[in-house]
Amino acid sequence: EAGVAQSPRYKIIEKRQSVAFWCNPISGHATLYWYQQILGQGPKLLIQFQNNGVVDDSQLPKDRFSAERLKGVDSTLKIQPAKLEDSAVYLCASSAVGAMLTQYFGPGTRLLVL
Amino acid sequence: AQSVTQPDIHITVSEGASLELRCNYSYGATPYLFWYVQSPGQGLQLLLKYFSGDTLVQGIKGFEAEFKRSQSSFNLRKPSVHWSDAAEYFCAVAPTNTGNQFYFGTGTSLTVIP
Repeated sequence: EAGVAQSPRYKIIEKRQSVAFWCNPISGHATLYWYQQILGQGPKLLIQFQNNGVVDDSQLPKDRFSAERLKGVDSTLKIQPAKLEDSAVYLCASSAVGAMLTQYFGPGTRLLVL
Repeated sequence: AQSVTQPDIHITVSEGASLELRCNYSYGATPYLFWYVQSPGQGLQLLLKYFSGDTLVQGIKGFEAEFKRSQSSFNLRKPSVHWSDAAEYFCAVAPTNTGNQFYFGTGTSLTVIP
């Protein structure tokens, strides 16, 4: 089966610009996660969706970050405006209902903010 | 405060040698425990997980991990390392009282020398 797809793989922007990342989860997976992984650190959960509803966004910097999953499948994560400290790898993961603790990760989008 | 500690930032082993990566957690109760591996430019791949039962867990690629409640540890082991095992390894925990939130350690980078 196809894995979690993410695009773009790399993005370079200047601070104060906006950027968007896209994720397509494994077919049939109702739960979708966005993580931020700063260099030298483990991934940190930003937001979790169950179908098209938000389950947990307690660590999402809502003044600049937003995410949506309108049809319960694909998801986009947006940063506006970007700051230097947003440079990181943004990972998307998905899991099936009833097996939400087994998460499958995409390859990530590496963001560099100059 | 909840925490996951991987005390070894970087480990170097010779090919064919045994490997042990350490992971300690700090939670009020036994959480669900995971080990993931991340190769350069790739997403995280699940190696193994522990929910309950037998404290010695077998995973993919010849890895195993042992849960020790008294030490709050979940160390990853492999009897004979292959050059392809060179990667970043992350321990993760999911507190059983939340069911959703994953907490990752900072990772251990493994180098394998011929």
